[in-house]
Amino acid sequence: AQSVTQPDIHITVSEGASLELRCNYSYGATPYLFWYVQSPGQGLQLLLKYFSGDTLVQGIKGFEAEFKRSQSSFNLRKPSVHWSDAAEYFCAVGDNFNKFYFGSGTKLNVKP
Amino acid sequence: DVKVTQSSRYLVKRTGEKVFLECVQDMDHENMFWYRQDPGLGLRLIYFSYDVKMKEKGDIPEGYSVSREKKERFSLILESASTNQTSMYLCASSLYSAVGALHFGNGTRLTVT
Repeated sequence: AQSVTQPDIHITVSEGASLELRCNYSYGATPYLFWYVQSPGQGLQLLLKYFSGDTLVQGIKGFEAEFKRSQSSFNLRKPSVHWSDAAEYFCAVGDNFNKFYFGSGTKLNVKP
Repeated sequence: DVKVTQSSRYLVKRTGEKVFLECVQDMDHENMFWYRQDPGLGLRLIYFSYDVKMKEKGDIPEGYSVSREKKERFSLILESASTNQTSMYLCASSLYSAVGALHFGNGTRLTVT
């Protein structure tokens, strides 16, 4: 069965520091992978997606993610975090039937 | 930009009431979804629809039903609300072709007392 694991529930980083949020998935075929961000009281917004091709994908707001098939991972990175990046981040995998499976989320706090 | 609109941001209902959550999208998307979001559990799929009058059960359909009479509108129905259905409900839509990314509404926070 498909599943997504985000091992870090909370992460705190200082403003200007680099960020990496971890995501591991379980899926039998080539996955469609996504990262979403949710600000308080809002719905989810797509940051980036991977369907095929280059394993390093660029997204909005300066985020990037790298697909590593051998590790079943799709980690999200940002070289320098801004206070406005404080939010909850969700990794998701989509299957061929237009169903999506989400991780439990990672809450990011940014220290001034 | 795709707009997904959920009719209510906050709802308070009593146990046993019939509850309707409405969702409308304006981009002619074929797929529409209802998710439930609870702390520590992420998003769990309740139902989805890939066409008018078509629906598929998700992972947690018990206690819920859906209706899609028009392409742009997807309704979630709680036939008899219970306290364990207190949650944040998120509607989303996507294009059918090639697994489109989801576009979400802002959510409805439902409290059942």
